[in-house]
Amino acid sequence: DAKTTQPNSMESNEEEPVHLPCNHSTISGTDYIHWYRQLPSQGPEYVIHGLTSNVNNRMASLAIAEDRKSSTLILHRATLRDAAVYYCILLNQAGTALIFGKGTTLSVSS
Amino acid sequence: DAGVTQSPTHLIKTRGQQVTLRCSPKSGHDTVSWYQQALGQGPQFIFQYYEEEERQRGNFPDRFSGHQFPNYSSELNVNALLLGDSALYLCASSSLIFRSYNEQFFGPGTRLTVL
Repeated sequence: DAKTTQPNSMESNEEEPVHLPCNHSTISGTDYIHWYRQLPSQGPEYVIHGLTSNVNNRMASLAIAEDRKSSTLILHRATLRDAAVYYCILLNQAGTALIFGKGTTLSVSS
Repeated sequence: DAGVTQSPTHLIKTRGQQVTLRCSPKSGHDTVSWYQQALGQGPQFIFQYYEEEERQRGNFPDRFSGHQFPNYSSELNVNALLLGDSALYLCASSSLIFRSYNEQFFGPGTRLTVL
């Protein structure tokens, strides 16, 4: 599976936008980009996924670079509840196991 | 819908013992995956069950085994427990027919402590 690189930690203030970057320079054409997050003392939860085009859902937006070698998860207005570890994961069509890295720990201050 | 449920919530065992963890998938899901999460680390994939068979396995020894029942629920068994098996064990369910859109729903986990 192709590898992803994320910053270890990021900080944000409440109600401000947050841009979480992910580099995946070895991504293949069939790899989907998935984001999961894990709140303290909980199991991971799905956030969003995409292949080539930018994606929006009720939780976040995913911006994918034109060459697909990087992507950015965008939280439009961070809340205290968004404080979590965010994982960027590549998943090809044939694979179903999620390979988690260390992720980015997001801290949100009021 | 209760989502993914796991039991027990917490478990304490001693080295050498055997343990069984249980998972009920989200309604409508037919695939169950198990992950081990050590403190401060991301989850590590153990194996995945579909149609009562192990279809994919991560880099875990044979001491880790599993089973899936006709109702899609699953068990994770660990034999000859080691101190290093202390971790949060997560169960995730999904629907295999949507394998390219592989949203997995995770349970709250079972915290295993090996003394």
